[in-house]
Amino acid sequence: DAGVTQSPTHLIKTRGQQVTLRCSPKSGHDTVSWYQQALGQGPQFIFQYYEEEERQRGNFPDRFSGHQFPNYSSELNVNALLLGDSALYLCASSGDTGSPLHFGNGTRLTVT
Amino acid sequence: TQLLEQSPQFLSIQEGENLTVYCNSSSVFSSLQWYRQEPGEGPVLLVTVVTGGEVKKLKRLTFQFGDARKDSSLHITAAQPGDTGLYLCAGRNTNAGKSTFGDGTTLTVKP
Repeated sequence: DAGVTQSPTHLIKTRGQQVTLRCSPKSGHDTVSWYQQALGQGPQFIFQYYEEEERQRGNFPDRFSGHQFPNYSSELNVNALLLGDSALYLCASSGDTGSPLHFGNGTRLTVT
Repeated sequence: TQLLEQSPQFLSIQEGENLTVYCNSSSVFSSLQWYRQEPGEGPVLLVTVVTGGEVKKLKRLTFQFGDARKDSSLHITAAQPGDTGLYLCAGRNTNAGKSTFGDGTTLTVKP
C-alpha cells in the first residue's frame, strides 16, 4: 500500500520563477493538505483540498495556489518565487476532517 | 491565532537517560498529536490525545494531555539512539482541517 508520494524530491529555482510541486495521496484518502516547513521550524499550513476545491487556507499570499484532480492527487503552484520561499514543502493526506494526517517526505525547494 | 510552544528547543542526552518534552498553548484544542520527524523525511504520527487528562503509552513513550486540553507532555524512558529526531506537537480543532504545529524539540541521544 503506497503512502503519500511527492515529486520532485529536490528543486532549485531562481527568484521570480514559478514552480509546481506534485502529490499523490495515500490510497483511500480524498483530502490533501499542503504545509511549508522552513529550516528549524514546524510545518505551517498552506491550504487543504477536498472534492477538487480549496476548503481551508492558511496565512499565505495569493502567489501560492493549488489544484486537486479527480483522482485526488494535488499540485501546489508558487509564482514569483522569493528567497524566503526556500523550504521543505510537505503534502499530507487524510480520509476526512479529524482523521490522522499521513505525510509524504516532502519537496526541498531552494530559491537562489 | 492559535500557537503551540514546545520546550526545550534542543535536548542532548546519553543513552539510558529519561527525558520529558513539553507542548503548551494558550488555546484549547479538540485533539493534539505528537509526530516524530527524521532528516529528509516527513513527520510520522506517534499518537493522538483527545480527552483532558488522558495518558497514552507507546512502549517507552508516555504522552499526557493536560486537563484543560491546552498542554501536553511526552516522556521517554531509557532513551535509545533510535529515538533521535525532531518531535513535533500539533493541535487540531473539530470541523477544521488544518493542524497547527509547534516548532519542535530536536532530540539527540548519544550512545
